[in-house]
Amino acid sequence: DQQVKQNSPSLSVQEGRISILNCDYTNSMFDYFLWYKKYPAEGPTFLISISSIKDKNEDGRFTVFLNKSAKHLSLHIVPSQPGDSAVYFCAASRPGGSQGNLIFGKGTKLSVKP
Amino acid sequence: DADVTQTPRNRITKTGKRIMLECSQTKGHDRMYWYRQDPGLGLRLIYYSFDVKDINKGEISDGYSVSRQAQAKFSLSLESAIPNQTALYFCATSDTDRAYEQYFGPGTRLTVT
Repeated sequence: DQQVKQNSPSLSVQEGRISILNCDYTNSMFDYFLWYKKYPAEGPTFLISISSIKDKNEDGRFTVFLNKSAKHLSLHIVPSQPGDSAVYFCAASRPGGSQGNLIFGKGTKLSVKP
Repeated sequence: DADVTQTPRNRITKTGKRIMLECSQTKGHDRMYWYRQDPGLGLRLIYYSFDVKDINKGEISDGYSVSRQAQAKFSLSLESAIPNQTALYFCATSDTDRAYEQYFGPGTRLTVT
């Protein structure tokens, strides 16, 4: 059973507009939630994180929102740029000594059109 | 130079063969990980190592083994490769304090025929 779900395999957005990527999880014991970005033929790169005790974290154009009651998080990219076109993976981390043991979603492919 | 390197980048092998994938890092991190990615799926953890003497099974360790030869080196072996091990394999590293922030290598595309 998937503990981290990204229900939208793809998303297309116009340059300059907002991109919203969504993620749902089932395990309330996760202590950190992450977003990774992946370009073709490259490894994933860490983008942004949020602690389970926060509801928002912002880094430049990227903001992650966490709704613990709904077990839902989202990544907002404003404004979207063509270089943001990539696959975005949502991931969750177990607490304590297993913190590096990440559970990944299946990814959402974002296309930003000029 | 890349912080996390993987060799080989591409490999085609036959069913039943033993194969080793290698990973090296220059980031000085204690923790290292091996993941596999299948088409349309996210990354799944195979093994992870907190340090040279501490190795742990991940979600899908059956059919794989690992060796942490040094802090900077972590290798993944398929003792007898089978076709459903055809996948993209990634090595990653992290610091102990922010273990969720992982640095990935470029990946090894493995095909088992």
